[in-house]
Amino acid sequence: AQKITQTQPGMFVQEKEAVTLDCTYDTSDPSYGLFWYKQPSSGEMIFLIYQGSYDQQNATEGRYSLNFQKARKSANLVISASQLGDSAMYFCAMRELNTGFQKLVFGTGTRLLVSP
Amino acid sequence: KAGVTQTPRYLIKTRGQQVTLSCSPISGHRSVSWYQQTPGQGLQFLFEYFSETQRNKGNFPGRFSGRQFSNSRSEMNVSTLELGDSALYLCASSSSGSLSTDTQYFGPGTRLTVL
Repeated sequence: AQKITQTQPGMFVQEKEAVTLDCTYDTSDPSYGLFWYKQPSSGEMIFLIYQGSYDQQNATEGRYSLNFQKARKSANLVISASQLGDSAMYFCAMRELNTGFQKLVFGTGTRLLVSP
Repeated sequence: KAGVTQTPRYLIKTRGQQVTLSCSPISGHRSVSWYQQTPGQGLQFLFEYFSETQRNKGNFPGRFSGRQFSNSRSEMNVSTLELGDSALYLCASSSSGSLSTDTQYFGPGTRLTVL
């Protein structure tokens, strides 16, 4: 069964510094996708970045990058130059691609607090 | 393009009642999925609809049901509400639904409180 583990319940970072949010996963499907979402206090889940299991390069989207280490089954999110608006919950999620379904399995999340 | 919309945003019900939540996907998106988010269980998949057909279902009791209309709008229904059904219900849509790499875009959620 697929599983996502986020071991950091909370993280603190100062504005303009970089921060890494950890995510490890487990799946028996060789073809999978990994997603990161941000959830502000308003509740909406905002898509940040995607990494496919067969992608050769680590994904990047603006200030977000994904440190994908397939052998270690980890997909850590790196946020560079943190901003106050980055304070939110961050969820790592996975989809097994061979099913053809859209179902995402989420981790428990990491609450990030950015201080001035 | 407008994002995923969900109505109502907040709802208060009492035990034993039933409730219907609505979701309008991004224009052109044909796959709609529903998730339940609670402090204790986190984010859990409820079901997915594509072309008016439920094609995947999570591990929830039969009190939870849904449907999708020809315009891709979706509703979910919870009958005989229990206190434990209090949660944020999130709807997500994706484009074709045939590519597993499609990104799901979420709505703002409906916060249901059961008293």
